[in-house]
Amino acid sequence: GENVEQHPSTLSVQEGDSAVIKCTYSDSASNYFPWYKQELGKGPQLIIDIRSNVGEKKDQRIAVTLNKTAKHFSLHITETQPEDSAVYFCAASMGGGGADGLTFGKGTHLIIQP
Amino acid sequence: AAGVIQSPRHLIKEKRETATLKCYPIPRHDTVYWYQQGPGQDPQFLISFYEKMQSDKGSIPDRFSAQQFSDYHSELNMSSLELGDSALYFCASSLSVSFNLGNEQFFGPGTRLTVL
Repeated sequence: GENVEQHPSTLSVQEGDSAVIKCTYSDSASNYFPWYKQELGKGPQLIIDIRSNVGEKKDQRIAVTLNKTAKHFSLHITETQPEDSAVYFCAASMGGGGADGLTFGKGTHLIIQP
Repeated sequence: AAGVIQSPRHLIKEKRETATLKCYPIPRHDTVYWYQQGPGQDPQFLISFYEKMQSDKGSIPDRFSAQQFSDYHSELNMSSLELGDSALYFCASSLSVSFNLGNEQFFGPGTRLTVL
């Protein structure tokens, strides 16, 4: 089955700086890669996603890049703010025509230092 | 905007008891997924349903079963509860029309199950 590795496990950045979280996946058949933000005591919130036919996607301060050949994808957050502090999860799924479950990475605890 | 509704939000059970968790998807969403998240861990996919049929199966124990009803809500039934079943249980929903583009899954607030 699919295996998703996520790094780093903890990331501390100064407010206003950029943060980058990286993930690799093992199954070349995976073609859908969402990113979720989870705050304490809440459910994961979908913040951005990318599909295998796209190399990069941007939404305001958040961007995701995908390298299918190398089987890795990354989340980039610019101009970080205190409210960006949370646990971020990358995930992968087949997206092949059914209700495929997501395989998650272990998560990155992002800490924004004021 | 309406979100996924889960009930109850908190549940405390004794070992060997049974529990039923309920999930009401976002209006017009026809697909539901169940995930289990242990403390400090990532969500683990359990099972999914589309049009009342099981669609994908993950690491769901044999003691657990689930179903989807005609109004698209879903229930996760857990029997012979063990201490290790203590976790957050999330339901997510999506629209089947997005299957071929990847499933945008939207998560509910979760049910915190504590087994004593």
